[in-house]
Amino acid sequence: DVKVTQSSRYLVKRTGEKVFLECVQDMDHENMFWYRQDPGLGLRLIYFSYDVKMKEKGDIPEGYSVSREKKERFSLILESASTNQTSMYLCASSLWDSSYEQYFGPGTRLTVT
Amino acid sequence: AQKITQTQPGMFVQEKEAVTLDCTYDTSDQSYGLFWYKQPSSGEMIFLIYQGSYDEQNATEGRYSLNFQKARKSANLVISASQLGDSAMYFCAMREGVRQAGTALIFGKGTTLSVSS
Repeated sequence: DVKVTQSSRYLVKRTGEKVFLECVQDMDHENMFWYRQDPGLGLRLIYFSYDVKMKEKGDIPEGYSVSREKKERFSLILESASTNQTSMYLCASSLWDSSYEQYFGPGTRLTVT
Repeated sequence: AQKITQTQPGMFVQEKEAVTLDCTYDTSDQSYGLFWYKQPSSGEMIFLIYQGSYDEQNATEGRYSLNFQKARKSANLVISASQLGDSAMYFCAMREGVRQAGTALIFGKGTTLSVSS
């Protein structure tokens, strides 16, 4: 079974803090993705990566950065957390061929106060 | 313009009834893929079904089928014989373009399905 794990299910941070969200997959997938989910807005793509050290901006990259130093790990970084970044963050991975489905982690619910 | 439109914020159905969740999409690509995911209250996203733009037959997976009408650009999910465990949020998503690395999915805003006994 494909497994995508995220470092925390729930996280509470203060405004201005640097926040790291970690995602690890165990199926040697080339592609990894970070989405943000907000009520009424569905899932919106923040960043994705198709190879180690490669990254592409998604629809809403402002205020975020990412790191992929190893194939199995994809980190989302909030350089200076703000209250409008309070959200559910979902990581996903997939094989290189994007005809295949994406496998999602359990999500991290981040609250910034 | 939205790429994926799900017009039903919420749907209500009785157990054992069939239900159709609507999805329309907008793309100028000839090659694309359509996905449906289920998200229960626990939060995990579960892949349900996939339809490629060149697939001639509608996709089916157990109680799930995808009613693919290419000319209308619709990809409705049909759940037959609803069960209480089907209560969840359902997302339609699209992958545009030919198979290539790193193509992300575009998601709709979702439909909440509530199944009652």
